[in-house]
Amino acid sequence: SAVISQKPSRDICQRGTSLTIQCQVDSQVTMMFWYRQQPGQSLTLIATANQGSEATYESGFVIDKFPISRPNLTFSTLTVSNMSPEDSSIYLCSVVGQGVYEQYFGPGTRLTVT
Amino acid sequence: KQEVTQIPAALSVPEGENLVLNCSFTDSAIYNLQWFRQDPGKGLTSLLLIQSSQREQTSGRLNASLDKSSGRSTLYIAASQPGDSATYLCAVRAGGTSYGKLTFGQGTILTVHP
Repeated sequence: SAVISQKPSRDICQRGTSLTIQCQVDSQVTMMFWYRQQPGQSLTLIATANQGSEATYESGFVIDKFPISRPNLTFSTLTVSNMSPEDSSIYLCSVVGQGVYEQYFGPGTRLTVT
Repeated sequence: KQEVTQIPAALSVPEGENLVLNCSFTDSAIYNLQWFRQDPGKGLTSLLLIQSSQREQTSGRLNASLDKSSGRSTLYIAASQPGDSATYLCAVRAGGTSYGKLTFGQGTILTVHP
């Protein structure tokens, strides 16, 4: 299994500002994933982050709004830029473990934009 | 496009009951299926993973079955307890590769009252 930590666990931000979320994994992984969960909704994949290459974004998500860094095999950051109240969500970091390819999730970052 | 549906959307039962949560998916070409638990405002905890070649998996009071040909999975919870109260999410991984996209259902909100 993989143990994932995220910082911050929650934040309240003002409209127009940016927030960077950090994700740390206790083992080296090839791919890391960033998900968004809007209030009362299920999870939506934002992007897949590979070490040493550009992240791959899902339809509806763009790099200018959600820039991602992946400097090594255990760490990634997601920035939510120029925030609006519609960005209020839980943001989750995730990885796929080796072997049976079970997916693991971090504890999430609860973001509120006022 | 894969679609995952979970029924019921919400379920309230008295403590001690056995219960079944349902998950259906439209594309049977899956790599695996995972059941997760999510407590309010928190990340996801993996409960059970079923590979596409398997029929069921068991962990403690939980049993998950998979009928890939009919596009269905069930999560059986025996002797429910108040601590089982949470949202249960079903997710299927696209077939072809171990890193196929994970598609989530909307979840079943379970409340077990004493």
